[in-house]
Amino acid sequence: GEDVEQSLFLSVREGDSSVINCTYTDSSSTYLYWYKQEPGAGLQLLTYIFSNMDMKQDQRLTVLLNKKDKHLSLRIADTQTGDSAIYFCAETRRGKAAGNKLTFGGGTRVLVKP
Amino acid sequence: DSGVTQTPKHLITATGQRVTLRCSPRSGDLSVYWYQQSLDQGLQFLIQYYNGEERAKGNILERFSAQQFPDLHSELNLSSLELGDSALYFCASSVLGDTEAFFGQGTRLTVV
Repeated sequence: GEDVEQSLFLSVREGDSSVINCTYTDSSSTYLYWYKQEPGAGLQLLTYIFSNMDMKQDQRLTVLLNKKDKHLSLRIADTQTGDSAIYFCAETRRGKAAGNKLTFGGGTRVLVKP
Repeated sequence: DSGVTQTPKHLITATGQRVTLRCSPRSGDLSVYWYQQSLDQGLQFLIQYYNGEERAKGNILERFSAQQFPDLHSELNLSSLELGDSALYFCASSVLGDTEAFFGQGTRLTVV
């Protein structure tokens, strides 16, 4: 079955880089996502990567995908206190038959210390 | 602001009762999704609608039902509520049935 795993917690100093890791089991995954959830807020789509890509960069965010190992990471450069949140990795097999069901990991709580 | 609107933001109700959660998708989006976020289960996909028709179904209980109306808003009906139904219920929408989804702020349901 589908499963997405993340580490529970990451502590990082302001200005340093954060790396959040995620592993998934479904080799049919077509898109992999990173969402951010701040306290009391909804899920904010940060970025996503198609499964035939290895890397995607978007300003301070870099997504790396190792499809062979089914490993996804999100690097946040120059981490700020506003980056403190829970980060969710999610995967989907898009398509008319599969719809667009997202399978989420348990979330990684990132704490940025000044 | 994602453009997805959910009402109400908070709901407190008693066991055995029925509630309706409402979702207005982003302008132009045809598909809506419902997710449940709880401490023990994490984020779970419930159901997806596309242009008024059910597209995909997840771990949605028989006590729960949903629909998408002609104006594309959606409602999630939860009945015979139990304490374990207390959770944050998210709606998301996407342009088509298989494009990236944007989430609302959620409805926090507390069953007492």
